[in-house]
Amino acid sequence: EAGVAQSPRYKIIEKRQSVAFWCNPISGHATLYWYQQILGQGPKLLIQFQNNGVVDDSQLPKDRFSAERLKGVDSTLKIQPAKLEDSAVYLCASSLTGGGSGANVLTFGAGSRLTVL
Amino acid sequence: QQQVKQSPQSLIVQKGGISIINCAYENTAFDYFPWYQQFPGKGPALLIAIRPDVSEKKEGRFTISFNKSAKQFSLHIMDSQPGDSATYFCAASKWEGKIIFGKGTRLHILP
Repeated sequence: EAGVAQSPRYKIIEKRQSVAFWCNPISGHATLYWYQQILGQGPKLLIQFQNNGVVDDSQLPKDRFSAERLKGVDSTLKIQPAKLEDSAVYLCASSLTGGGSGANVLTFGAGSRLTVL
Repeated sequence: QQQVKQSPQSLIVQKGGISIINCAYENTAFDYFPWYQQFPGKGPALLIAIRPDVSEKKEGRFTISFNKSAKQFSLHIMDSQPGDSATYFCAASKWEGKIIFGKGTRLHILP
């Protein structure tokens, strides 16, 4: 089974520039998550999709972050304009669950490391 | 608001020893408690998980102990090996709900 694919793996940008990250979840996984992992901390959920609808985006800084999941498969996370504090690893994860089928067993991608200078 | 508190921040254990990582949660509605293991440059991967209807779950060298009344749970790694060196995250959620992660414990096993 192929894992969760993310790109790019690394990105360095100047503050106020924009950046986009792409995620391809495991085939058949209805739920997709974007997490932000700042160095030395645990992953923090930014947004959760169920198919192509948003389930939870309560911690997404909507003035600068946006995400979409077209056709319920791939997803893109965009940051515009970037701030220094956005330096982090952006993790995409997917799971089978939703609709009463059980606990959320997340499969994570390797992440996209963003450095904002 | 940090809903899952994890300790210690870092841990060094001799090969063959027992590694113990502790977590405490606040929300009594949580009913699913997974542990994730993360190696450098990789995403976290599910290691073991427990629900509050049992007090202990064991999978190989890894055991979760759960104390519902104290709202605490812990991960024990028996016969710790250098390959276990990684960052471990405890987490909690409502069944199918948003997963809240602890801050992580960096474990180093001395050869």
